[in-house]
Order: sequence, then C-alpha cells, then structure tokens
Amino acid sequence: GENVEQHPSTLSVQEGDSAVIKCTYSDSASNYFPWYKQELGKRPQLIIDIRSNVGEKKDQRIAVTLNKTAKHFSLHITETQPEDSAVYFCAASHPPGGGADGLTFGKGTHLIIQP
Amino acid sequence: DAMVIQNPRYQVTQFGKPVTLSCSQTLNHNVMYWYQQKSSQAPKLLFHYYDKDFNNEADTPDNFQSRRPNTSFCFLDIRSPGLGDAAMYLCATSQQLAEETQYFGPGTRLLVL
Repeated sequence: GENVEQHPSTLSVQEGDSAVIKCTYSDSASNYFPWYKQELGKRPQLIIDIRSNVGEKKDQRIAVTLNKTAKHFSLHITETQPEDSAVYFCAASHPPGGGADGLTFGKGTHLIIQP
Repeated sequence: DAMVIQNPRYQVTQFGKPVTLSCSQTLNHNVMYWYQQKSSQAPKLLFHYYDKDFNNEADTPDNFQSRRPNTSFCFLDIRSPGLGDAAMYLCATSQQLAEETQYFGPGTRLLVL
C-alpha cells in the first residue's frame, strides 16, 4: 500500500518568515495530494491540494509543488502569521480500485510561529 | 450550515461495553469514511462506504464495524472497546473516490474506562 513520509515533525519559524514542509510517497499511481491543517482538538481542514497533472499551485500565501518523478511534494507558507500555528498533514490518494480508497496521511508537522 | 455532523462530540464508555458513534452529512456525497486518530498521530482510515458498498481496510480490527442505512447517515460500532481504542474518531465525506476533497466532521473523542 501507499506510504507517506513527512518532514520535519516540528518546525519553528519567526513570524513573517517562510515555512516549508516536505512529503514523499511510495505509490507512483497516487494522483491526488491534499494538505490539511488541524488545530488542537479540531477537525482537519483542507488548505490546498494538487493533482498529478499539475506541478505547482498557489493560493495567496500558500503554495504546493509536486515532483512526480521524485515522488515528493511540498507545502510552502510565506509571510507566516501566528494563526498559522497548527499541525499540518500531507496526504496521498490512490485511483479507485487500485488499493486503499481513502487518504494515506503523513505523520504531521507541528508548525510553531514565534512572535 | 454544518456539512458533516458527528454525535456525540465526547463519548465515555466502559471496557468491553459496545458503543456506537454517528455521522451525518448534508452534502449528499456518495462516499463516507471513518478515520481513527490517536493523540499526536495522523488520521488512519478504518473503512469507507461508496453508496452501499462497504470497503474495509486490511488492518482494521474485527472489533470495528460500520453501518450506512441511507445516504446521509453512517455509524461506527465498536463491539468490545479496549483501552487502546481511546481516540478521536473522524468521519469524512467526498463526492467520489480519489482525487476528491474530503470534508471532515468535528470528530468524536472516545474515552474508555
């Protein structure tokens, strides 16, 4: 099955600086890669996603890049703000019928924004 | 305008006493998922329904069962909860399988005494 590795497990950056979280996946057939933000005690919320036919996607301060050849994708947050502090999960999704039909998550990155 | 609703938000049960968690959705999505999330860990898929078709993950214990009586509702039954089953249980929905945004409910935190 799919295996998603996520690094780092904890990331501390100064407010206003950029943060980068990286993930790798094992199944070359995976074709959908969402990123979720989860605040303590709350539900995971989708912040951005990318499909395998796209190399990069941007939404205001958040961007995601995908390298299918290397099987890795990254989340970039620019001009970080205190409200960006949370746990961020990357995930990968496999096409229907070829394996697990849900999301396989990375272990999460605890992002801490230092004021 | 809640889209994925889970009840209760907190559930306390006793070791070995069956418990049922519920999820409902107003999105009319085809797929409903159950994830287990233990403290400081990632959500782990237990099973999902595509319409009435049930799909169990290979490593989901037999102790966990699910029912989907209609499009809107899905239940997670834990037949004999153990201390290791204490976790947050997250329900999610999507319109189709794969390449689709999954919308998560607020979760039910289960405590086993």
